[in-house]
Amino acid sequence: EVQLVESGGGLVQPGGSLRLSCAASGFTFSSYWMSWVRQAPGKGLEWVANIKQDGSEKYYVDSVKGRFTISRDNAKNSLYLQMNSLRAEDTAVYYCAREARTDYDIFQIDYWGQGTLVTVSS
Amino acid sequence: EIVLTQSPATLSLSPGERATLSCRASQSVSSYLAWYQQKPGQAPRLLIYDASNRATGIPARFSGSGSGTDFTLTISSLEPEDFAVYYCQQRSNWPRGTFGQGTKVEIK
Repeated sequence: EVQLVESGGGLVQPGGSLRLSCAASGFTFSSYWMSWVRQAPGKGLEWVANIKQDGSEKYYVDSVKGRFTISRDNAKNSLYLQMNSLRAEDTAVYYCAREARTDYDIFQIDYWGQGTLVTVSS
Repeated sequence: EIVLTQSPATLSLSPGERATLSCRASQSVSSYLAWYQQKPGQAPRLLIYDASNRATGIPARFSGSGSGTDFTLTISSLEPEDFAVYYCQQRSNWPRGTFGQGTKVEIK
């Protein structure tokens, strides 16, 4: 059974930093692209970042470029999101997600963790 | 940036009725579109990928159609557990991808 378990969320002041972790199990972690997706309270979903199987490629939504860094440790089956210079608008539940190749040879998110809440407030 | 517009924002229906949800893209996304269901307090669940393929374990009452800029998610006969928020996501500019704003299917 695929399991993705996020941790590391909490309350942080504007301008502060936080590191999210995601522990993966039930599949060969090193074979998959992985993503972070966030959801502000009462709002819709926003893709944040993703990373290639070997960590050699990383992509970000424009609003977090230069502030957030996605990384992974395949030996530990873990995904990370380092968040710096946090803003109030970064307040959201952050989901770890797996991306699977589809019949059209693109990737689509097929499994999600339960999420961890990040609150940026003074 | 490709913008996805979902309509209606809220759909009020009774169990057993047919639900038709729309997702329109600001430019063609080919068939690189997925649908997700999200219930309160839960993570999203993949329903449909590549516009029309049901994900593993998804009941046959869920179907997806469309290509280019216009897509539809149809629930043929609503079950009580289907009342939720539904999101579309495009991946035509993968590895990036944008979501629609969601359609809430509520009990009438």
